[in-house]
Amino acid sequence: DAGVIQSPRHEVTEMGQEVTLRCKPISGHDYLFWYRQTMMRGLELLIYFNNNVPIDDSGMPEDRFSAKMPNASFSTLKIQPSEPRDSAVYFCASSAAGTGYNEQFFGPGTRLTVL
Amino acid sequence: AQSVSQHNHHVILSEAASLELGCNYSYGGTVNLFWYVQYPGQHLQLLLKYFSGDPLVKGIKGFEAEFIKSKFSFNLRKPSVQWSDTAEYFCAVNVPTGANNLFFGTGTRLTVIP
Repeated sequence: DAGVIQSPRHEVTEMGQEVTLRCKPISGHDYLFWYRQTMMRGLELLIYFNNNVPIDDSGMPEDRFSAKMPNASFSTLKIQPSEPRDSAVYFCASSAAGTGYNEQFFGPGTRLTVL
Repeated sequence: AQSVSQHNHHVILSEAASLELGCNYSYGGTVNLFWYVQYPGQHLQLLLKYFSGDPLVKGIKGFEAEFIKSKFSFNLRKPSVQWSDTAEYFCAVNVPTGANNLFFGTGTRLTVIP
């Protein structure tokens, strides 16, 4: 298995532009998570899905952020309009369902720079 | 909400030195505890985990961690570090009765000098 796949790996954009980050979870996993990593705040959970349904989006910073999961193998995180303070590394992770906790597997991340 | 504290932001050690990274969490109930490692330019990988049983857990690459319930701590240790251990280390907590999500600490950057 290729693991969790994220694209692009790096994104540089200008303030005000729309940014779309993509994630392909591990096949068969039912949970998908989006995290943001910054120096100041560390790793923060933004939103997570279970069976393509958003379960908890309380970590999404504001309305400029939106996430979708149209099918079991694809999710997007969109920022519109982007701002310099959105600069961070965005990670996607997936895990299987089942009783108890199941290990999350992380993608390589997308490093976003908003100028 | 649960919070996880890692008090050491950057640790610099020479090879063969012993390592201990602190992790404290705030939650009064049962928790699952984890340490993840992020090598330069790579994604997060699970180093070790504690669910129940023996509070001293052993992970990959010679790392171990001890769960001390009375101190709400889960410190990571390694007797002798190597240059290849240079990475960022994250402590994380999951509440078993809650969702399948993790709460992370802010991370500790370890630099090992050859």
